[in-house]
Amino acid sequence: SQKIEQNSEALNIQEGKTATLTCNYTNYSPAYLQWYRQDPGRGPVFLLLIRENEKEKRKERLKVTFDTTLKQSLFHITASQPADSATYLCCPSGGTSYGKLTFGQGTILTVHP
Amino acid sequence: GAVVSQHPSRVICKSGTSVKIECRSLDFQATTMFWYRQFPKQSLMLMATSNEGSKATYEQGVEKDKFLINHASLTLSTLTVTSAHPEDSSFYICSARSGQHNSPLHFGNGTRLTVT
Repeated sequence: SQKIEQNSEALNIQEGKTATLTCNYTNYSPAYLQWYRQDPGRGPVFLLLIRENEKEKRKERLKVTFDTTLKQSLFHITASQPADSATYLCCPSGGTSYGKLTFGQGTILTVHP
Repeated sequence: GAVVSQHPSRVICKSGTSVKIECRSLDFQATTMFWYRQFPKQSLMLMATSNEGSKATYEQGVEKDKFLINHASLTLSTLTVTSAHPEDSSFYICSARSGQHNSPLHFGNGTRLTVT
């Protein structure tokens, strides 16, 4: 069955450092990989989407990579700020996911001042 | 940007009653809507996928007779929790998509359901 794993349930870093979150998937081949941010008691908010033929995508302080050989996506936040503290979710989509949109369990990021 | 409105944000009901949750896309047409359930400190669990005008596709283990989904228009989907029980207490979140698999999901802000 399709499986999505995000490393470390919780990640704590100091302000100004780069946060790196990992998303691994097995048993399917998505055409896209989406990343979302969720704050407590709120719905997730879309951040970035990367296609299978793109190696890297950037948006301001965010960077996403997609390695279809390793079946892995990395999500980086550079110059992290306390306001970046949230839960980050990955969601492989398209391809052999056949339209289903399932999420990893999320990584809780805490940026300490 | 694309806005999804979910209502109510909180609801408390007694066991045995039914509760309806509405999900509206305010400024775009949602070809597909998804309903998720989220337990504390856990990820989103996909309950069902619905396309406008057709029956919802439920995930394994989700009772379709208990969680009634209606997607009657391109801007509105409803989830009705029938004969609610305390174990149905959870955070329910809807999301909507206007395009295909490369389109991002736009989420509502969720409904906190408490069944007493």
